This record gives sequence, C-alpha cells and structure tokens, in this order.
Amino acid sequence: GENVEQHPSTLSVQEGDSAVIKCTYSDSASNYFPWYKQELGKGPQLIIDIRSNVGEKKDQRIAVTLNKTAKHFSLHITETQPEDSAVYFCAAGSGTSYGKLTFGQGTILTVHP
Amino acid sequence: EADIYQTPRYLVIGTGKKITLECSQTMGHDKMYWYQQDPGMELHLIHYSYGVNSTEKGDLSSESTVSRIRTEHFPLTLESARPSHTSQYLCASSGWGRGSEPQHFGDGTRLSIL
Repeated sequence: GENVEQHPSTLSVQEGDSAVIKCTYSDSASNYFPWYKQELGKGPQLIIDIRSNVGEKKDQRIAVTLNKTAKHFSLHITETQPEDSAVYFCAAGSGTSYGKLTFGQGTILTVHP
Repeated sequence: EADIYQTPRYLVIGTGKKITLECSQTMGHDKMYWYQQDPGMELHLIHYSYGVNSTEKGDLSSESTVSRIRTEHFPLTLESARPSHTSQYLCASSGWGRGSEPQHFGDGTRLSIL
C-alpha cells in the first residue's frame, strides 16, 4: 500500500518568513495530493490540492509543487502570519482508491510574531 | 459553515458503556470515513463506506463498528467502551466514483473513557 512520509514534524518561523513542508510518497499510482490545515479543536480543512498532471499550483500565499519522478511534493507558505500556526497534513490518493487518502504524520507550524 | 456534523463534540463516560458517535453530511456524498487521531497527531483510517449498505474496515484495527443505512448518516458504535478507546474520532466524506477528491472533515468527537 501507499506510504507517505512528512518532514519536518515541527517548524518554527518568524512572522513574515517562508515555511516549507515536504512529503514523499511510495505508490507511483498516486495522482492526487491534498494539503490540510488543522487548528486546535477543529477537524482538518483542505487548503490546497494538486493532481499529477500539474507541477505547481498557487493560491495567494500558499503553493504546492509536485515532482512525480522523485515522488515528492511540498507546501510553501510565504509571508507567514501568526494565524498560519496550526498542524499541517499532506496526503496522497489514487484513481482507484475510492477516495481513500494516505496521510503524512503532520507538521506543527508555529509562527512567532 | 460546516457541511459535515459530528455529535457529541466531547464525551466522558465510564468503562463498559455502549457508545454511538454520530456523523451526518448534507452534501450527498457517497463515500464516508472514520479516522482515529491519537495525541501524536497521526490520522488512522478505521472504517469507510462507498455508499449505502457498504462498510469496510480501514488500515487500523478497531473494536468499533459502523453502519450506513442512509447516504447522509454514518454512525460509529462501541459496544463496551474501554480506556484504550480514549481518543479523538474524526468523520469525513468525499464525492462519488473510484477516484480521489477532497475529503471534508467534521470537527471531531473527543472521547474519554474512565
């Protein structure tokens, strides 16, 4: 089955700096890669996703890049703000998985004012 | 606004009790999922459903059971709660067909068994 590794487990940045979280996956059949943000006391919320026919996608201050050859994808947050502090999860799914996603272990991002 | 609802949000209950965690979605999604989230943050899939009358066990073994009698409703039941069942339980749903789409999560039930 699919295995998703996520790094780092914790990330601390100053407000205004950039943050990068990286994930690797093992199953070459995976073709869908969402990123979720989980705030305290809430369920994970989708913030951006990318499919395997695209190498990069951007939405305001967040972007995701995908390298299919190396089987890794990354989340980039620019101009970080204290409200970006949360737990972030990457995930991978395939066209035959009936919607099942394999999640990474999570990254605790702390943005210091 | 939430399109997927979980109740209760918090539950503290004694050992041996029967518990049902409720999950409902208003999006008409065929696929629904239950995850267990431990204090280490990882999300572990314990049950999923492709549609009405379909249920499957997930990657993490669980003593809980689920049912899917209606599209919008996917309750999880523990027949006899134990302290080892203490955890956060998250419900999610996604669209239709074999492929992958975004999963929409509820805000979870935090369960504590005394």
